[in-house]
Amino acid sequence: KAGVTQTPRYLIKTRGQQVTLSCSPISGHRSVSWYQQTPGQGLQFLFEYFSETQRNKGNFPGRFSGRQFSNSRSEMNVSTLELGDSALYLCASSSGTSREKLFFGSGTQLSVL
Amino acid sequence: QKEVEQNSGPLSVPEGAIASLNCTYSDRVSQSFFWYRQYSGKSPELIMSIYSNGDKEDGRFTAQLNKASQYVSLLIRDSQPSDSATYLCAVTSEGSARQLTFGSGTQLTVLP
Repeated sequence: KAGVTQTPRYLIKTRGQQVTLSCSPISGHRSVSWYQQTPGQGLQFLFEYFSETQRNKGNFPGRFSGRQFSNSRSEMNVSTLELGDSALYLCASSSGTSREKLFFGSGTQLSVL
Repeated sequence: QKEVEQNSGPLSVPEGAIASLNCTYSDRVSQSFFWYRQYSGKSPELIMSIYSNGDKEDGRFTAQLNKASQYVSLLIRDSQPSDSATYLCAVTSEGSARQLTFGSGTQLTVLP
């Protein structure tokens, strides 16, 4: 069974630009969550999508947005990039039920110059 | 605000010893508890989950949960150099089952 696939693996952008990251969950999983990991703040929850609907949202500015498609693939968009947005962005896949386990993709390393 | 606290380490143990990693959490309604292992430059990998008070064993790993004390721990028996990694404690609450709150992680080094 294929794992969680994130593309691209690395991205370099400049301040003010926008970026779109992609995540394909494990086959059969309907929930996709996004996390940001930085050395200073650690792993922080961005948002979660289930059946194309955002179910939970973390404490991030509106520049961070996402969506989920009918095949459960998800995209995350960051607009007007800031230097502080440099981070590893991780996507996690789960079945969407309670007491479930989240499985992470390899992540997208974003560098904002 | 929900908080998860871990000793940042680094924690060093000799090969073959027991490594003990600890985690406390602030939200009393926390429901599910997880331990992830993250190697440098890699993504977190789930190694243990626990939902009820007591111990849960899986191979060389034992997770312990005490909800009254709001404490969860991970024991690694017969530690191997390949266990050297950062171990992340994560907690969820009912109603936000996929919103993990992570601790800052404990860096473990197993010395050959």
